[in-house]
Amino acid sequence: GQQLNQSPQSMFIQEGEDVSMNCTSSSIFNTWLWYKQEPGEGPVLLIALYKAGELTSNGRLTAQFGITRKDSFLNISASIPSDVGIYFCAGQRQGGKLIFGQGTELSVKP
Amino acid sequence: DGGITQSPKYLFRKEGQNVTLSCEQNLNHDAMYWYRQDPGQGLRLIYYSQIVNDFQKGDIAEGYSVSREKKESFPLTVTSAQKNPTAFYLCASRTSGTSGSNEQFFGPGTRLTVL
Repeated sequence: GQQLNQSPQSMFIQEGEDVSMNCTSSSIFNTWLWYKQEPGEGPVLLIALYKAGELTSNGRLTAQFGITRKDSFLNISASIPSDVGIYFCAGQRQGGKLIFGQGTELSVKP
Repeated sequence: DGGITQSPKYLFRKEGQNVTLSCEQNLNHDAMYWYRQDPGQGLRLIYYSQIVNDFQKGDIAEGYSVSREKKESFPLTVTSAQKNPTAFYLCASRTSGTSGSNEQFFGPGTRLTVL
């Protein structure tokens, strides 16, 4: 099945630094979702985007729905140790089916 | 508490045995989904159901079966025909219909290990 191209695959940063990750696709999506997953747990929804060009924030997290509807990015500002985890983007197809990126594993050094 | 529950958290089975994973939601969501996750990879869709008594194959349905007899429940059976069943299985649900409510919410997952 199709997967989104998510980058980077992993990041090792110092506490307090900003983080940026993105997803691109050859297909258009009507909805982009960003999830965070901690080891052994299910993904937790962080941000949902519904319109091309939309910029949405959730605390220190900011995500944008690309104008072409084929890409999205997620920024985390002033990272803290509890930001550690794997971040997934997902594009939503007809019928609510999601296509997931491969994930970005974030490590934060105190 | 409203949410999605999956049981058991860990499951061990011998090769060649069928096994059924449970998924229950009390969110009154219409649609439910099953995904498989392998190490270092994103989630892949196995089966989904948008309404009771109806379900469709996802991208990797071979070796799996589902039923949707009740709105709250969407059990997944991993059959002996699934060649590589060891994985982390995630169930999700979503309310369908109006725009702005397309988010899928996930359960805590079941880790299946076939010995």
